[in-house]
Amino acid sequence: KQEVTQIPAALSVPEGENLVLNCSFTDSAIYNLQWFRQDPGKGLTSLLLIQSSQREQTSGRLNASLDKSSGRSTLYIAASQPGDSATYLCAVRPGSGGYQKVTFGTGTKLQVIP
Amino acid sequence: DTEVTQTPKHLVMGMTNKKSLKCEQHMGHRAMYWYKQKAKKPPELMFVYSYEKLSINESVPSRFSPECPNSSLLNLHLHALQPEDSALYLCASSQGPENGYTFGSGTRLTVV
Repeated sequence: KQEVTQIPAALSVPEGENLVLNCSFTDSAIYNLQWFRQDPGKGLTSLLLIQSSQREQTSGRLNASLDKSSGRSTLYIAASQPGDSATYLCAVRPGSGGYQKVTFGTGTKLQVIP
Repeated sequence: DTEVTQTPKHLVMGMTNKKSLKCEQHMGHRAMYWYKQKAKKPPELMFVYSYEKLSINESVPSRFSPECPNSSLLNLHLHALQPEDSALYLCASSQGPENGYTFGSGTRLTVV
């Protein structure tokens, strides 16, 4: 059974700092991995999607990397802003690509202090 | 249109009520999902509708019943809910496994 862990559970940083969020998974046979942000009481907003054959994806100030062999993905946020404050979730789709079996991580709650 | 639209945004219902949540997408996605999310927890899959076939998480009680009138709509019918069913209900869709999920903004459900 795939288990996905995100450490730390909460993180507080001053504005302007670069930061890294971690996502670890136990089964390296994945199809892809997707990073989301969630504002309180809201839905999930997709940030980046990395296929199993890719090593990284970039969008603006965000960069996500994937190391399947070590069961890790990181989300790098450059020059953090108060608007980046949210909970960040990673979601892992298994190697079979099945619709049913995506596993979500436990989330990291980020607070960026002005 | 690149959105998944959920209505209503908020719903308060009594334990004897019957209500429905609605989810709609016009992206031509082939799969649609209902997730339940409790506070400070990751989303939990309830139902998947893909290729006109419904898949159910067997732990979901029968007081929740999905309905897919067409490929763009996925409803969730609620009947005789319990206070512990209060949660954020999220709908998502995907074109295929390689494309990832698109989520709606959710329905905040409170059962009193």
